[in-house]
Amino acid sequence: EADIYQTPRYLVIGTGKKITLECSQTMGHDKMYWYQQDPGMELHLIHYSYGVNSTEKGDLSSESTVSRIRTEHFPLTLESARPSHTSQYLCASSAGGNIQYFGAGTRLSVL
Amino acid sequence: DQQVKQNSPSLSVQEGRISILNCDYTNSMFDYFLWYKKYPAEGPTFLISISSIKDKNEDGRFTVFLNKSAKHLSLHIVPSQPGDSAVYFCAARGAAGANSKLTFGKGITLSVRP
Repeated sequence: EADIYQTPRYLVIGTGKKITLECSQTMGHDKMYWYQQDPGMELHLIHYSYGVNSTEKGDLSSESTVSRIRTEHFPLTLESARPSHTSQYLCASSAGGNIQYFGAGTRLSVL
Repeated sequence: DQQVKQNSPSLSVQEGRISILNCDYTNSMFDYFLWYKKYPAEGPTFLISISSIKDKNEDGRFTVFLNKSAKHLSLHIVPSQPGDSAVYFCAARGAAGANSKLTFGKGITLSVRP
């Protein structure tokens, strides 16, 4: 069973605020990912990291940024939240194989 | 352009019967396929996978079939249980090695009626 944690689970925030979504895993996985998912739609990869100090943008353009200073921690930051950022954000990690393990997600609502 | 397609958005089956969830893909470079299950307000959970060198993989009540020539895979759940009610995502990995990213379909909502 995977141990990957996301906080907060739910966040309602006003436009223009800076937010950071936390993601931590205790499995020592090198690879970590952030996805964005809207109801009835596929998961879109927005950021990924293959190790410490390595980050790449995913297939879906996003105004968010990420950092990977420690293996276990992969936070996502929005400098100025907008209503268009309302979505579910899912963090995942993998050990280098094919299977990605997901956290419970953060449901973000920007008013 | 959607490379992994789950064309049926929903499926309803009776408890105890078979559930068949379908997935089609367009990229012939995909070489590994996964199914994830997702409950509301939770993250996806890995269910079962299959490599492109196989045509079937079975794990308990879950079996995945792969037809490479048709670029089609399906997930069979037998017998279906009410706890199987969830959204099922099909995902595929490109053939660029272990660093390849996953491409997901839009998901199928399965409802199992008691």
